[in-house]
Amino acid sequence: GAGVSQSPSNKVTEKGKDVELRCDPISGHTALYWYRQSLGQGLEFLIYFQGNSAPDKSGLPSDRFSAERTGGSVSTLTIQRTQQEDSAVYLCASSSRVQETQYFGPGTRLLVL
Amino acid sequence: AQSVTQLDSQVPVFEEAPVELRCNYSSSVSVYLFWYVQYPNQGLQLLLKYLSGSTLVKGINGFEAEFNKSQTSFHLRKPSVHISDTAEYFCAVSVYNQGGKLIFGQGTELSVKP
Repeated sequence: GAGVSQSPSNKVTEKGKDVELRCDPISGHTALYWYRQSLGQGLEFLIYFQGNSAPDKSGLPSDRFSAERTGGSVSTLTIQRTQQEDSAVYLCASSSRVQETQYFGPGTRLLVL
Repeated sequence: AQSVTQLDSQVPVFEEAPVELRCNYSSSVSVYLFWYVQYPNQGLQLLLKYLSGSTLVKGINGFEAEFNKSQTSFHLRKPSVHISDTAEYFCAVSVYNQGGKLIFGQGTELSVKP
């Protein structure tokens, strides 16, 4: 079956612009996670959604970052007024429920010039 | 707060030799433990996980790990590595009853040489 997909695979933007990153989880998976992988910080948790519960936003680095999940499926991570330090690979993962195995997408590589 | 330390950033090893990648964690509460692998230019793939039960966990590609609660360690081992095992390996924990979010170590780059 189809795995987790993310789009775009690569994104180059100018400092100060807004970007939207999309994640399509595995069908039927109720839990969805966003992580960031960067050279300086390694792999960091950003936010997770579980069903209709309020998301856990504890990993978002600033209020420029936000995410939503529509209809319990597709999720969009938005970064407003991008900065050069936002350059990283943004990874999405989903699991059938909390604490089950997380399946990762290929990531979106973001470069802020 | 929980943290994960991978003691070696790079591990070079010859093909068919055994390897151990070390992982220690810090937590005052019960955790679940994971090893993920990231092959060059690919996404993260689960190698194995420890949730409960037997402390020796077997995973894919001949890897295994042992959970040691007293030493708060979860070291990854393989008795004989292949060139194809060259990749970056990440140890991670998630806290029981906290939503499953993963806290990762900094990664260990395993380089298998012929």
